Amino acid sequence: KQEVTQIPAALSVPEGENLVLNCSFTDSAIYNLQWFRQDPGKGLTSLLLIQSSQREQTSGRLNASLDKSSGRSTLYIAASQPGDSATYLCAGLQTGANNLFFGTGTRLTVIP
Amino acid sequence: NAGVTQTPKFQVLKTGQSMTLQCAQDMNHNSMYWYRQDPGMGLRLIYYSASEGTTDKGEVPNGYNVSRLNKREFSLRLESAAPSQTSVYFCASSEAAGGGPYEQYFGPGTRLTVT
Repeated sequence: KQEVTQIPAALSVPEGENLVLNCSFTDSAIYNLQWFRQDPGKGLTSLLLIQSSQREQTSGRLNASLDKSSGRSTLYIAASQPGDSATYLCAGLQTGANNLFFGTGTRLTVIP
Repeated sequence: NAGVTQTPKFQVLKTGQSMTLQCAQDMNHNSMYWYRQDPGMGLRLIYYSASEGTTDKGEVPNGYNVSRLNKREFSLRLESAAPSQTSVYFCASSEAAGGGPYEQYFGPGTRLTVT
């Protein structure tokens, strides 16, 4: 069974700092990997999806990478803002499966 | 477009009561999913429907039933609620299940407490 781990569980940074969130998975048979944002008491908002044939995807200040051989994905946030404060979840779709396997998330706080 | 909508937003049940969580999507997606989110654990799949007329069990299906009413709607039923089913329930949809880079879109969630 796919196990997805996100470290650290919580992170506080001052506004303007660049930061990296980490996601690791145990089974390299990942078909795609999706990064989500979850605000307190809210649903999940999809940020980026990386297909297994890709190495990275970019959207605005966000850049996500995928290294299947090492079982890792990273989400890079440039020039962080207080509005970026949320929990960030990564989830992998395993080849041949139909559901996403989720990590437990990293709770990010950007301090003004 | 409303995307994925869920009702109700909050619910409190007594042990043994039943209820149905409703989900609808207006993106013409073929596949729909029900997940639960518990503290300290990632979201886990309860049931999914790869296409209209089909449903399959996910990782944690015990105590739940589902109905894919039509292409838009996918409901989750708790026949006899238990405290262990206290959780936040999310519905999601995607263009297709597996086999492609199909992004999943999530609803706002239903917060269920069973006392």
